[in-house]
Amino acid sequence: GDSVTQTEGQVALSEEDFLTIHCNYSASGYPALFWYVQYPGEGPQFLFRASRDKEKGSSRGFEATYNKETTSFHLQKASVQESDSAVYYCALGDRGTGSKLSFGKGAKLTVSP
Amino acid sequence: DPKIIQKPKYLVAVTGSEKILICEQYLGHNAMYWYRQSAKKPLEFMFSYSYQKLMDNQTASSRFQPQSSKKNHLDLQITALKPDDSATYFCASSQDWGCAETLYFGSGTRLTVL
Repeated sequence: GDSVTQTEGQVALSEEDFLTIHCNYSASGYPALFWYVQYPGEGPQFLFRASRDKEKGSSRGFEATYNKETTSFHLQKASVQESDSAVYYCALGDRGTGSKLSFGKGAKLTVSP
Repeated sequence: DPKIIQKPKYLVAVTGSEKILICEQYLGHNAMYWYRQSAKKPLEFMFSYSYQKLMDNQTASSRFQPQSSKKNHLDLQITALKPDDSATYFCASSQDWGCAETLYFGSGTRLTVL
């Protein structure tokens, strides 16, 4: 079945560091890819999505580019702030499965001042 | 103002009892969902509804029963509660059901079963 792999469970950075959180997917079709962010005590919040090869999604300084060749959608931010500390989830939505999103395990980002 | 309201925020239950988790959305969306989040499985899809009709059910147990009295309402009834049911349950919605729609989540109900 469709799945998303996030390799980093925890990411620890200092303010103004460059962020990369890796996301690779496995799907039989041509899925839509998403990034969500979750703060403590809240539900996941939609960051952005991309639906086709080479499309870039972005929001709040975060960005990711859909790469069909490498089956990846890595999240990046040039300069993180303490307020970016949260859990980041990559998700996949396959047009063949209605509107069910499959989520990765999440990466907990901690940014120190 | 929160657009997806889940009640209660915290819930403690005893094994074998029954609880209902409430969800209302004010985004004007036509599809609603339930997801579960626990230490074992980060975000796990349970059900999806479109115009009050069940579209997809990935929950193996019949102890979990969604109930939709109105298009913007999707409650979750859980019977014969077990400690393994302890998790945070998230309600979500999307404009429509179908083609990899963007989901918007509520803030969750944290259920603890003793």
